[in-house]
Amino acid sequence: DVKVTQSSRYLVKRTGEKVFLECVQDMDHENMFWYRQDPGLGLRLIYFSYDVKMKEKGDIPEGYSVSREKKERFSLILESASTNQTSMYLCASDSPGEEQYFGPGTRLTVT
Amino acid sequence: AQTVTQSQPEMSVQEAETVTLSCTYDTSESNYYLFWYKQPPSRQMILVIRQEAYKQQNATENRFSVNFQKAAKSFSLKISDSQLGDTAMYFCAFMKHPYNTDKLIFGTGTRLQVFP
Repeated sequence: DVKVTQSSRYLVKRTGEKVFLECVQDMDHENMFWYRQDPGLGLRLIYFSYDVKMKEKGDIPEGYSVSREKKERFSLILESASTNQTSMYLCASDSPGEEQYFGPGTRLTVT
Repeated sequence: AQTVTQSQPEMSVQEAETVTLSCTYDTSESNYYLFWYKQPPSRQMILVIRQEAYKQQNATENRFSVNFQKAAKSFSLKISDSQLGDTAMYFCAFMKHPYNTDKLIFGTGTRLQVFP
């Protein structure tokens, strides 16, 4: 079974803190994605990566950065967390043209 | 730019009945993929069904089937014999083809509640 795991299910951080969200997949997928899910807005793509050390901006990259040093791991970084970044964050991975698999999500609250 | 619209924020259905979730999309592409994803409460998002735009035949997966109307840019999901385990958020999604790093564009979702 494909597994996409995320480092935390729930996270509470203070405004201005640096936040790391980690995602690991075990199926040797080339592509990895970070989405943000908000009620009434669906899922919006923040960043994606199609290879190690490669990244591309999605639809809402402002305030976020990413890192992919190894094929199986894709990190989302909030350099200085703000309250408007309180949200559910979903990681996903796939091989080109194949089904996209999602992690369980991290619910981040910034106070 | 492509957009995906789900006009039903919430729906409910009684167990064993049939329900249809609506999805429309806008694109100038001729070849693409459409998906329905299911997100149960506090559980991971999973793929329900996938349709390739160049295929005329509507996709079917057990109790789940789609009505794909390419000219109308409509892609509805029909759930037959609804079960309590079908309670979830359902997202319609679009992907360009040939695969452009597999970026999915999602609708805003429909929350489906199945009642006993």
